[in-house]
Amino acid sequence: QVQLVQSGAEVKKPGASVKVSCKASGYTFTNFAMHWVRQAPGQKLEWMGWINAANGNTKSSQKFQGRVTITRDTSASTAYMELSSLRSEDTAVYYCARDRGSRAFDIWGQGTMVTVSS
Amino acid sequence: EIVLTQSPGTLSLSPGERATLSCRASQSVSSGYLAWYQQKPGQAPRLLIYGASSRATDTPDRFSGSGSGTDFTLTISRLEPEDFAVYYCQQYGSSPVTFGQGTKVEIK
Repeated sequence: QVQLVQSGAEVKKPGASVKVSCKASGYTFTNFAMHWVRQAPGQKLEWMGWINAANGNTKSSQKFQGRVTITRDTSASTAYMELSSLRSEDTAVYYCARDRGSRAFDIWGQGTMVTVSS
Repeated sequence: EIVLTQSPGTLSLSPGERATLSCRASQSVSSGYLAWYQQKPGQAPRLLIYGASSRATDTPDRFSGSGSGTDFTLTISRLEPEDFAVYYCQQYGSSPVTFGQGTKVEIK
């Protein structure tokens, strides 16, 4: 079946970086873009950016520009999101989600909890 | 950036009742690219409706979406116990993609 499986929870200190992976299975990875969305505790969903899995082109939210790097490894059918210069406000669950074009974000990973604490 | 405002913040209803959730956009949503997601505690969002009114795979027909331009509605015709959750609208026609702040549907 179509699924996205993300890497496990992380605990980081302020100023560090974190890299979250999202492995796709059950479909052709390069046929669909991938987005990253985060959700701080008790807060709404927040879009971070996306990658064209076919050619590697990316776009990120202005809020995260300079701190977020989205990449992919087509041989591993895996997308990655790296966030640098972490601060306590970055404590959140990070999700990857498949872009089905006009059909919105149809498949989501299970989420990765990132905790930033000294 | 398109700001989405959902109302009400919380809806207290009993099983079997009808739920009507609203999502208003600060500007017209391009191509009607408005989606609704359901999220339960500790779970990832689940796509219910895309393109304002099309049901996603496995979405029960008690869920329906309507609207265009700046005003959109999600209706649950008869609430089932598993429908009590938080619902988010999302516009994905313009960059950046944005989400509403959510409506919690709770058991009265």
